[in-house]
Amino acid sequence: GAVVSQHPSRVICKSGTSVKIECRSLDFQATTMFWYRQFPKQSLMLMATSNEGSKATYEQGVEKDKFLINHASLTLSTLTVTSAHPEDSSFYICSARPSGFSFHNEQFFGPGTRLTVL
Amino acid sequence: GQNIDQPTEMTATEGAIVQINCTYQTSGFNGLFWYQQHAGEAPTFLSYNVLDGLEEKGRFSSFLSRSKGYSYLLLKELQMKDSASYLCAVLDSNYQLIWGAGTKLIIKP
Repeated sequence: GAVVSQHPSRVICKSGTSVKIECRSLDFQATTMFWYRQFPKQSLMLMATSNEGSKATYEQGVEKDKFLINHASLTLSTLTVTSAHPEDSSFYICSARPSGFSFHNEQFFGPGTRLTVL
Repeated sequence: GQNIDQPTEMTATEGAIVQINCTYQTSGFNGLFWYQQHAGEAPTFLSYNVLDGLEEKGRFSSFLSRSKGYSYLLLKELQMKDSASYLCAVLDSNYQLIWGAGTKLIIKP
């Protein structure tokens, strides 16, 4: 089956520092990857859609200068939380949609990254 | 606007059957997904419906009525490990997933 990895799985950082989260599709190519954020007891919130080789599309209310997304290859997308603050503490999850036709139009999820900003 | 509604929480007994409903209003429709999410983990795929009717997969079944904007996830022979949140998501006309808030299912012995 299609596997998506995320690194790191858990990170604790000081306020004001930047954190990079990697999302990799291990056994398939993904033209499109998605970044979600999930606060406790809430549903997934789409932050941005990342397309390989082009700029990411951010959802309303998500600051593109704070959440930098790079999708430089068909298997890797990165999310950098710049100048992180305690309110950025959350569970960040990426998903990847395989390139080409897929009847199920399925997105495969990474295991998530728990970010805690002190 | 786009909207997906599902109950916030449901409780059921081990060994029983439970049906989790989902209604949606979206701009276009390219399929409906059900995902299971255990606390602190990422969602895992359960089912995908794009045509009307019932899709059965082991203990889990999913039903779709596009004319009614309605789906349900049916879980049979409930086990304690089925305690989780169940997320309904619709793929809209832009092939973007619109997520419901999730239904927390509590299984009691």
